[in-house]
Amino acid sequence: ILNVEQSPQSLHVQEGDSTNFTCSFPSSNFYALHWYRWETAKSPEALFVMTLNGDEKKKGRISATLNTKEGYSYLYIKGSQPEDSATYLCASNTGGFKTIFGAGTRLFVKA
Amino acid sequence: DSGVTQTPKHLITATGQRVTLRCSPRSGDLSVYWYQQSLDQGLQFLIQYYNGEERAKGNILERFSAQQFPDLHSELNLSSLELGDSALYFCASSVGGGGGETQYFGPGTRLLVL
Repeated sequence: ILNVEQSPQSLHVQEGDSTNFTCSFPSSNFYALHWYRWETAKSPEALFVMTLNGDEKKKGRISATLNTKEGYSYLYIKGSQPEDSATYLCASNTGGFKTIFGAGTRLFVKA
Repeated sequence: DSGVTQTPKHLITATGQRVTLRCSPRSGDLSVYWYQQSLDQGLQFLIQYYNGEERAKGNILERFSAQQFPDLHSELNLSSLELGDSALYFCASSVGGGGGETQYFGPGTRLLVL
């Protein structure tokens, strides 16, 4: 994988549903993986930074895992709320400190 | 509010012109990053400065240049502007210069080239 890829592109869920998204990134020369939450008309807000294989991070109802050997990360949202509606971006840093962003997963949570 | 400020908020200019976008990082942050978000593309990393020195370079055009000053604020200069340069330009800052640092984004400067 040469680029950072995110799936699905968009997701519609009902309030209370749990959901997850995938971020695939180049596993060679890996340095760090970032997750951001980006609401419309605002700027990206950092959720997590992970660097070690097997890392798991949690913030309230949102958690993330990292597999650097196979080059993927999952973001989980438990009990989605309408205020979780946003675009979730992941970004990979390589050893050269260049940051490559995925296209994002657009989440819509219906009340 | 992330603590990162960017000016101006909006900028309208004509093709062939030159503009300067300004960014002030959070207090204590030594790194500044510049990103471009065009309509048809995702967030593209342009360049990073750490404590006044260029640290990493992404997809920055030769017509674009940046610098970080001794007070750590940064400027992104865009010259010979083309219609395709219309985009939202974000600045972000972090404490250190490594790739594993949390980045805090400013509100962005929306550039429209007519």
